[in-house]
Amino acid sequence: GAVVSQHPSRVICKSGTSVKIECRSLDFQATTMFWYRQFPKQSLMLMATSNEGSKATYEQGVEKDKFLINHASLTLSTLTVTSAHPEDSSFYICSAHNKRGRVETQYFGPGTRLLVL
Amino acid sequence: GENVEQHPSTLSVQEGDSAVIKCTYSDSASNYFPWYKQELGKGPQLIIDIRSNVGEKKDQRIAVTLNKTAKHFSLHITETQPEDSAVYFCAASKVTGNQFYFGTGTSLTVIP
Repeated sequence: GAVVSQHPSRVICKSGTSVKIECRSLDFQATTMFWYRQFPKQSLMLMATSNEGSKATYEQGVEKDKFLINHASLTLSTLTVTSAHPEDSSFYICSAHNKRGRVETQYFGPGTRLLVL
Repeated sequence: GENVEQHPSTLSVQEGDSAVIKCTYSDSASNYFPWYKQELGKGPQLIIDIRSNVGEKKDQRIAVTLNKTAKHFSLHITETQPEDSAVYFCAASKVTGNQFYFGTGTSLTVIP
């Protein structure tokens, strides 16, 4: 149980284009999903918290107009990188909040590797 | 806010030996501590977690200990195998809260 999928797994795009990444909770409903960015050999950097039916909460320093987040249903959140530039190249990982026993924990997707040329 | 520190950043052990990774946290209100294993090019996978109402939890070769007074918790892997090689992240959170605060990761290499 508690499977989270991401699509696409990797994407290469030209500078200036927009890229949409989907995050789905496959066997549970997630009112909250998170989007992280990870640079090589570094920890996870929280970008934003996505709440179903409401606006996302962005971490300090993350441009909300550049990283558009939509959480339209209890099983789907999307991250759109608008007008992508080479510095946006990174590994993007989503996670979904779910209960494990009496504890709420996060289950991660497999990640999406974005390369902007 | 919460600050989680993790040591060591890299760890190499011989197959069959034990590996220990330590984390400290700063917010005494944190009461949930998960550990994640991340293999190259993949997302983190939850391997074990502990709540602050217990001091130790074990799952086969993996165990986690928690010292609330000192605000530190550790991951113990016994009888290590090459497939244990990965990056391990600790995290701290509040059970009823949403945000996880992650450590900086430990790259574990198990040498056959």
